[in-house]
Amino acid sequence: EPEVTQTPSHQVTQMGQEVILRCVPISNHLYFYWYRQILGQKVEFLVSFYNNEISEKSEIFDDQFSVERPDGSNFTLKIRSTKLEDSAMYFCASRRGAQANQPQHFGDGTRLSIL
Amino acid sequence: GQQLNQSPQSMFIQEGEDVSMNCTSSSIFNTWLWYKQEPGEGPVLLIALYKAGELTSNGRLTAQFGITRKDSFLNISASIPSDVGIYFCAGPTNAGGTSYGKLTFGQGTILTVHP
Repeated sequence: EPEVTQTPSHQVTQMGQEVILRCVPISNHLYFYWYRQILGQKVEFLVSFYNNEISEKSEIFDDQFSVERPDGSNFTLKIRSTKLEDSAMYFCASRRGAQANQPQHFGDGTRLSIL
Repeated sequence: GQQLNQSPQSMFIQEGEDVSMNCTSSSIFNTWLWYKQEPGEGPVLLIALYKAGELTSNGRLTAQFGITRKDSFLNISASIPSDVGIYFCAGPTNAGGTSYGKLTFGQGTILTVHP
């Protein structure tokens, strides 16, 4: 069964450094998402992406965050200057279409640790 | 914004017991999703509900979409040790009437099953 893949599984970065998290969504999916889960807390929406542009973003997704689909398969999340509070699991998800009967499928996440 | 409240927060049960957990919202959701998350992995979709009153099963799991569209429950029958994990309810929220499908998650129910 096709799945969403994320790399790396764990990223350790010094505070202030840039980090890029990578995702390969399911190949025929058109809607892409990033979510964040701080340890012990619920999953929180960051951003949705459709037709090569951001369709919605949360308050968490400030100017330090950006997303890109550089080619036909990858979907990346960049944090320009990381802060300690960016430490979390970051999940990528994708969805085939806009119909309500097409739920999102999640990758296994990247654990981001900021030192 | 829309919020989902799950109860109980955690459950400790013996193998073979049945489990029931629920999710409530102060506002209407048109779709209810139940995900399971195991350590080090992303949320995996268990059951999707699309119509008020709908009752859907997936093996030993049964979920119902409340008639008011403000609640849902998930039952697990005859629990086994591999049912251990965090169970999240989630629902898509609309942005200005469009459906880019950003998901709002509940805070999760942690299930522990003793052999």
